[in-house]
Amino acid sequence: GAGVSQSPSNKVTEKGKDVELRCDPISGHTALYWYRQRLGQGLEFLIYFQGNSAPDKSGLPSDRFSAERTGESVSTLTIQRTQQEDSAVYLCASSLGDRGRTEAFFGQGTRLTVV
Amino acid sequence: AQSVTQLDSQVPVFEEAPVELRCNYSSSVSVYLFWYVQYPNQGLQLLLKYLSGSTLVKGINGFEAEFNKSQTSFHLRKPSVHISDTAEYFCAVSAAPSGSARQLTFGSGTQLTVLP
Repeated sequence: GAGVSQSPSNKVTEKGKDVELRCDPISGHTALYWYRQRLGQGLEFLIYFQGNSAPDKSGLPSDRFSAERTGESVSTLTIQRTQQEDSAVYLCASSLGDRGRTEAFFGQGTRLTVV
Repeated sequence: AQSVTQLDSQVPVFEEAPVELRCNYSSSVSVYLFWYVQYPNQGLQLLLKYLSGSTLVKGINGFEAEFNKSQTSFHLRKPSVHISDTAEYFCAVSAAPSGSARQLTFGSGTQLTVLP
């Protein structure tokens, strides 16, 4: 597609359930980021993938959070045993490379609500 | 590592008035600087970026920003705002290639509300 695609756009889940969020980056973009945006707050870095390098997981808030990326394509962010504080918009972004010069393109986000 | 501080969480301004949204950063290495805008219920899109060269950069929708290395600032300005500029604005920094950090670091955002 022309842009970064995220699915689902909205997800309501019960506390304790696992959820999986999907991100399709722009074709050819080797770098992929996940961010979390709580209501009224800025973007919180979660994880970064660059090509076949080991991902930078330094932003993951707990071991309930994990992410995978297949080559330079789709990424999934998994949250196990969801808690109410996990409610947020999860944003995915991709860019051409890791040199920092290139613009990151963002998806529309997945709004996760844990009830 | 780097950090970004957006000094104002809310900025109300009347239509056609000028506006400045402030951003300061800290980093131990050279950086690239970005401003992103997020309209209600939408993803983020790039307004402008500073990579090198002229310290005054112009972006979309009439916005511009000036990189001030001595003050470690990258303030965003527009001489005359429109109602349609109402949005959340995020300043972001990434390390230049000589640095080790790779991810974009974002500020907490500034909500610009343009009043009629």
